[in-house]
Amino acid sequence: ETGVTQSPTHLIKTRGQQVTLRCSSQSGHNTVSWYQQALGQGPQFIFQYYREEENGRGNFPPRFSGLQFPNYSSELNVNALELDDSALYLCATQGRGSGANVLTFGAGSRLTVL
Amino acid sequence: QKEVEQDPGPLSVPEGAIVSLNCTYSNSAFQYFMWYRQYSRKGPELLMYTYSSGNKEDGRFTAQVDKSSKYISLFIRDSQPSDSATYLCAMSDQGGSEKLVFGKGTKLTVNP
Repeated sequence: ETGVTQSPTHLIKTRGQQVTLRCSSQSGHNTVSWYQQALGQGPQFIFQYYREEENGRGNFPPRFSGLQFPNYSSELNVNALELDDSALYLCATQGRGSGANVLTFGAGSRLTVL
Repeated sequence: QKEVEQDPGPLSVPEGAIVSLNCTYSNSAFQYFMWYRQYSRKGPELLMYTYSSGNKEDGRFTAQVDKSSKYISLFIRDSQPSDSATYLCAMSDQGGSEKLVFGKGTKLTVNP
């Protein structure tokens, strides 16, 4: 167990719908980041949250948004789903006792958009 | 040109072989280099972390960084079937950032 828990593990949506993915961490770190991993690709940085504020964003449109809560759990919201949004969505936080670049990932939420 | 290039393989070796995995990159600002291992249906887990150039060894794993050539490598000695996974290189230019740039990953199979 990595200490980073994501839910749901799998879900299927149709084009145009909205989805919310959730992440919680046992580590209590005040940063969380989200990544998108398409099939056969490496993870791509979506954004990072620090103390409930977005603190860095990758090349993703505004329909990808997030929230971080006072207990450091987090949500990723995607509106107006497109077929290309089908991917594994990974939540990550800093590993215990390590630097900011050393991330611990959850197992991910696999989203299929039909 | 992508920021990080990694041959996706697949790579298949017999048990006990030495495995060499590598990535090239274009952004000279990268200073932090990592290798992650990802088993099927799991998230990536950190294997090796290196700052700047040089070598780092941990058990059967050795990571090398050559910043002058913008080239990083991971060597696995005495490979085991349990090493079968996808190996992802990742790098960052900021010490305080969680933004990592990943390669595509190399799928490795170690045959008993």
